[in-house]
Amino acid sequence: GENVEQHPSTLSVQEGDSAVIKCTYSDSASNYFPWYKQELGKGPQLIIDIRSNVGEKKDQRIAVTLNKTAKHFSLHITETQPEDSAVYFCAARPNSGYALNFGKGTSLLVTP
Amino acid sequence: DTAVSQTPKYLVTQMGNDKSIKCEQNLGHDTMYWYKQDSKKFLKIMFSYNNKELIINETVPNRFSPKSPDKAHLNLHINSLELGDSAVYFCASSPGSLVRFFGPGTRLTVL
Repeated sequence: GENVEQHPSTLSVQEGDSAVIKCTYSDSASNYFPWYKQELGKGPQLIIDIRSNVGEKKDQRIAVTLNKTAKHFSLHITETQPEDSAVYFCAARPNSGYALNFGKGTSLLVTP
Repeated sequence: DTAVSQTPKYLVTQMGNDKSIKCEQNLGHDTMYWYKQDSKKFLKIMFSYNNKELIINETVPNRFSPKSPDKAHLNLHINSLELGDSAVYFCASSPGSLVRFFGPGTRLTVL
């Protein structure tokens, strides 16, 4: 089955700096790659997603890049703010089916 | 306006008991899910229903039984609770096959 690896497990940045979280996946048939933000005591919230026919997608301070050949995708957060502090999960969905396979999460801390 | 709601938010119970967690979505979505998040924050799919039909049933003990009385509800019943069942359980929904909205979670603690 699909295996999603996520790095780093923890990331600490200064406010205003950029943060990058990387994920790799094993199933070359995967075609959908969402990113979720989970704040303490809450459920994961979809923040951005990308499909396999696109190499990059941007939404304000958040961007995701996908390299299908290398089977990796990354989340980029620019101009980080303390409210960006949360656990971020990447996920991948195989070509068929409804299940998402999640990475193990990255705990991001943005210090003022 | 809560899109995906779960009750209860916290559930503390003794080993061997039977308990249920309820989930409702008011988004008109066709697909609902149950995910389990363990103590290390790892999220894993348990079940998925599409239009009240079971479409995903991962390797989950048969002590766990989902029930979907209608498209807007997906409940999770757990028999003979074990210590290892302690986790946060998330309900989710989507208009198709791409998970969009997660509920706030139910933290289950088995003593």
